[in-house]
Amino acid sequence: DAEITQSPRHKITETGRQVTLACHQTWNHNNMFWYRQDLGHGLRLIHYSYGVHDTNKGEVSDGYSVSRSNTEDLPLTLESAASSQTSVYFCASSGLYAYEQYFGPGTRLTVT
Amino acid sequence: AQSVTQPDIHITVSEGASLELRCNYSYGATPYLFWYVQSPGQGLQLLLKYFSGDTLVQGIKGFEAEFKRSQSSFNLRKPSVHWSDAAEYFCAVGEGSNYKLTFGKGTLLTVNP
Repeated sequence: DAEITQSPRHKITETGRQVTLACHQTWNHNNMFWYRQDLGHGLRLIHYSYGVHDTNKGEVSDGYSVSRSNTEDLPLTLESAASSQTSVYFCASSGLYAYEQYFGPGTRLTVT
Repeated sequence: AQSVTQPDIHITVSEGASLELRCNYSYGATPYLFWYVQSPGQGLQLLLKYFSGDTLVQGIKGFEAEFKRSQSSFNLRKPSVHWSDAAEYFCAVGEGSNYKLTFGKGTLLTVNP
């Protein structure tokens, strides 16, 4: 069955370190999204991509970057991790019905 | 900019009781509307969606939602709640032609035995 996976599921890192969170989907979806989920804020969009080599900033993109070199993967990089980036991160993808997004299981990131 | 409001942060119901979770949106055109459910420690699962047509839509797990344009609402309902329905529920609206979703802040549902 097609699916969307995220790794690692849990990560603890130190302030200032570079961190990359992986997202891999086997739906063959063109559209991929990264969100962060924080108490009281719901889900907020970080970056998104409509296809290979396309990336766009969401509402909370500062301190994050993405690159899309193939259809299946959209890794999220925190260039220099900050304590404010402690959160749960979700990746999602959508295809033919472009607004219908399917979510991965999430990565819980703690920055100490 | 569009927005989604879920007025109830936390709702508690008894098992077997009916449920209605409220969602209001702010958007000029006809929106694409969604309800997602998130169980503890899990990702979000799509419950149901409204794109056009019949304003009463059926979803998985016995849920339904009704789109009311005059009230800018898309409330989620279930006639009889089961203990396994305890979770957080998110309403979301699709924006324009860029395929992005804007989410409400969620409603946490507790089910008492």
